[in-house]
Amino acid sequence: QVTLKESGPGILQPSQTLSLTCTFSGFSLSTYGMGVGWIRQPSGKGLEWLANIWWDDDKYYNPSLKNRLTISKDTSNNQAFLKITNVDTADTATYYCAVTTRVSFDYWGQGVMVTVSS
Amino acid sequence: DIQMTQSPASLSASLGETVTIQCRASEDIYSGLAWYQQKPGKSPQLLIYGASSLQDGVPSRFSGSGSGTQYSLKISSMQTEDEGVYFCQQGLKYPLTFGSGTKLEIK
Repeated sequence: QVTLKESGPGILQPSQTLSLTCTFSGFSLSTYGMGVGWIRQPSGKGLEWLANIWWDDDKYYNPSLKNRLTISKDTSNNQAFLKITNVDTADTATYYCAVTTRVSFDYWGQGVMVTVSS
Repeated sequence: DIQMTQSPASLSASLGETVTIQCRASEDIYSGLAWYQQKPGKSPQLLIYGASSLQDGVPSRFSGSGSGTQYSLKISSMQTEDEGVYFCQQGLKYPLTFGSGTKLEIK
């Protein structure tokens, strides 16, 4: 059974760095073809893909966030991470991690709400 | 970036009715399309991948079709539990992009 759970700071101030952790079970990020992605959703709005990391450490980022994103993984502890630098109120959203093996996100975590406020 | 245009933005359907949601890509995505259902306060769940393959555990009343730039999701007999927001997503090219969503309600 695949499960994922996101964790984060809850609230942070503008210009700070947001650090998110995805802890998963039921699969390994060292297995060929496995990947984890991060997606966010402002309240009442649509979904925005942020980044993917693959079993071979290949990484892809959404260029709309310029160079603010860093994705990484710890395969021995079944975790993936996302950092977003220099946050502002537009980064307020629910952040999801999800497992991917192909073009889709097969299983999603429950999401973690992040609020950026001064 | 590949733009995904979903229609309609919202619709209401009666129990047992057939529902169709459309998704159009700004360029050919070669069936690299997924559909998700999101219920209030919950995370999205994968329904269809590869344009027409049913994810394990998803009821057979859901089906996907299409090719090129035009895709559709069909619910063959609307049930109460099918209320929610439906999103399409292209997985052909980075950046991965989602449609804006279709809100489906019971009439």
